[in-house]
Amino acid sequence: EVHLGESGGGLVQPGGSLRLSCAASGFTFNFYAMSWVRQAPGKGLEWVAGLSGGGGTTYYTDSVKGRFTISRNNSRNMMYLQMDSLRAEDTAVYYCARVPNAGFFPLFDSWGQGIVVTVST
Amino acid sequence: QSVVTQPPSLSAAPGQKVTISCSGTSSDIGNNYVAWYQQLPGTAPKLLISENNKRASGIPDRFSGSKSGTSATLGITGLQTGDEADYYCGTWDSNLRAAVFGGGTKLTVL
Repeated sequence: EVHLGESGGGLVQPGGSLRLSCAASGFTFNFYAMSWVRQAPGKGLEWVAGLSGGGGTTYYTDSVKGRFTISRNNSRNMMYLQMDSLRAEDTAVYYCARVPNAGFFPLFDSWGQGIVVTVST
Repeated sequence: QSVVTQPPSLSAAPGQKVTISCSGTSSDIGNNYVAWYQQLPGTAPKLLISENNKRASGIPDRFSGSKSGTSATLGITGLQTGDEADYYCGTWDSNLRAAVFGGGTKLTVL
């Protein structure tokens, strides 16, 4: 069974940093592109970033370019989101999500349960 | 900036049919596949439709998807109270080189 689990969220001050992790199991991790999607309180879904199965190709939404870095460690079945220069508007539930084989962004067939990130003083 | 537009809310009675629209441009929906998601309160989104009209595994045939030009539509027939949720379309924006979601539609089944 496919399982994705996020960790590393919490409360951080504006301008601070946080690293989210996504642990994957139940499938051959390096075969699949992955993404981070967030949802601010009471708002809709926002795609944040994505990367290819090998990790060599990455994509970002404009609002996080230069501040967030997506990466993966295929030997550990882990994906990461390094978030720097955090702003109040980055406050959201962050989901990791899997792109199915021959899929595309934002086609996601499996999602984690989500992790809360709060940027506030 | 890509803006994929959905109606903020819709309502219908149990047993009826509803369609949710998703409107974009040639840089997004017009030249890329569309996916649809259902999000029940407090849960992660669930894939309903991939590649414009393909039902995801385990999704009943009450749910259907279509695309024409720069617009896509999610149809739900035989509405049930359990269908009350937020629905999102998503696609790729070729100009932005980024994925985009519609703003979401809150479906109420009264």
